[in-house]
Amino acid sequence: GDSVTQMEGPVTLSEEAFLTINCTYTATGYPSLFWYVQYPGEGLQLLLKATKADDKGSNKGFEATYRKETTSFHLEKGSVQVSDSAVYFCALSQTGANNLFFGTGTRLTVIP
Amino acid sequence: EAQVTQNPRYLITVTGKKLTVTCSQNMNHEYMSWYRQDPGLGLRQIYYSMNVEVTDKGDVPEGYKVSRKEKRNFPLILESPSPNQTSLYFCASSFKAGGGKLYGYTFGSGTRLTVV
Repeated sequence: GDSVTQMEGPVTLSEEAFLTINCTYTATGYPSLFWYVQYPGEGLQLLLKATKADDKGSNKGFEATYRKETTSFHLEKGSVQVSDSAVYFCALSQTGANNLFFGTGTRLTVIP
Repeated sequence: EAQVTQNPRYLITVTGKKLTVTCSQNMNHEYMSWYRQDPGLGLRQIYYSMNVEVTDKGDVPEGYKVSRKEKRNFPLILESPSPNQTSLYFCASSFKAGGGKLYGYTFGSGTRLTVV
């Protein structure tokens, strides 16, 4: 079945460091891929998405490229800030499915 | 403002005492869903609804009930809560774009339930 695997955390970085959170997926066909962010005490918010191969989603300095050849959708940011501290979830949506499949989440802590 | 509203935000209850967590959305979305979030397990779907009076089980439906009598509301009911239902619960709504994929998932702020 469809699934998403993302790197385990927690990840701790210094401010202005480069961030990569790995995400790989297993799915048939051409799913849509998402990154969601959960700030402390809040619900999940859509961060970015990509709907087809080679698409790049971007938002708030974060980027992720849909790589069908490696079934990956890694999240990157060139210079993280303390305010980026949150839990990040990779997810996929499959045509005709009634669910988003989520990874287990990666907690990011950015220290000044 | 487009939003999904859940109530209550926090709830402590005793084993066996029926409870309802409410969820309401103002975006006219047809699709609504309930998830529970547990450490190391990510989000797991409990129930979903494709439209009024249309509901179906997700991955972990045992011990839960839902109803969809109106488009905007999708309450989660625990008839006889047990300690293993202690979790963080999220309601979400979405529309389905062409091609049948779920887009624009909007989540509520969550309900932290403790069953003692």
